[in-house]
Amino acid sequence: DADVTQTPRNRITKTGKRIMLECSQTKGHDRMYWYRQDPGLGLRLIYYSFDVKDINKGEISDGYSVSRQAQAKFSLSLESAIPNQTALYFCATSESGLAGYQETQYFGPGTRLLVL
Amino acid sequence: AQTVTQSQPEMSVQEAETVTLSCTYDTSESDYYLFWYKQPPSRQMILVIRQEAYKQQNATENRFSVNFQKAAKSFSLKISDSQLGDAAMYFCAYRRYGGSQGNLIFGKGTKLSVKP
Repeated sequence: DADVTQTPRNRITKTGKRIMLECSQTKGHDRMYWYRQDPGLGLRLIYYSFDVKDINKGEISDGYSVSRQAQAKFSLSLESAIPNQTALYFCATSESGLAGYQETQYFGPGTRLLVL
Repeated sequence: AQTVTQSQPEMSVQEAETVTLSCTYDTSESDYYLFWYKQPPSRQMILVIRQEAYKQQNATENRFSVNFQKAAKSFSLKISDSQLGDAAMYFCAYRRYGGSQGNLIFGKGTKLSVKP
């Protein structure tokens, strides 16, 4: 079974709709992240959480919100989707700590979102 | 701000040959981590190799090795005995040591094709 799972894997929605992307992990990691990937731009950080009570904005948080329901679950919401939020969304996890292996982020399979 | 540059949008290699993917980065920090991730057509982001900046020895993982030149801020990936399954997008990424920021900073990627 995958350590980091994302649902749905693919989603088509319309402009103005609210949508939630979910991430679950069985790695036991404290830290979780949401990234967005656009063609030719690499991945950019949307939000991150270092524990259940800690939520931080990333580079491109406008238009998004998150919820850390438990250590293992981290959800990303688009309150009112717009076409330029069409992208591939990744959840990632890492341990707490400063060692190299703890700073390594492990990614879920991604959710492809199309906003019409 | 830190930046990561991958100057080769596309590369090609013959099966069983060796190929080197380039990555340079800009930072004023002395301690940090560098990563190479592979993204095959399945779109999963897979960790290939990690390098801690305080380690002088270049990291190796089976057929994958890096040439880490800290003074030159260069971090290239060498793939030996290339296999068809190595065909993918490869992303170089930087992570600041410690601190409260969560993000990996990614380059824009290099698309590697492997010819049989």
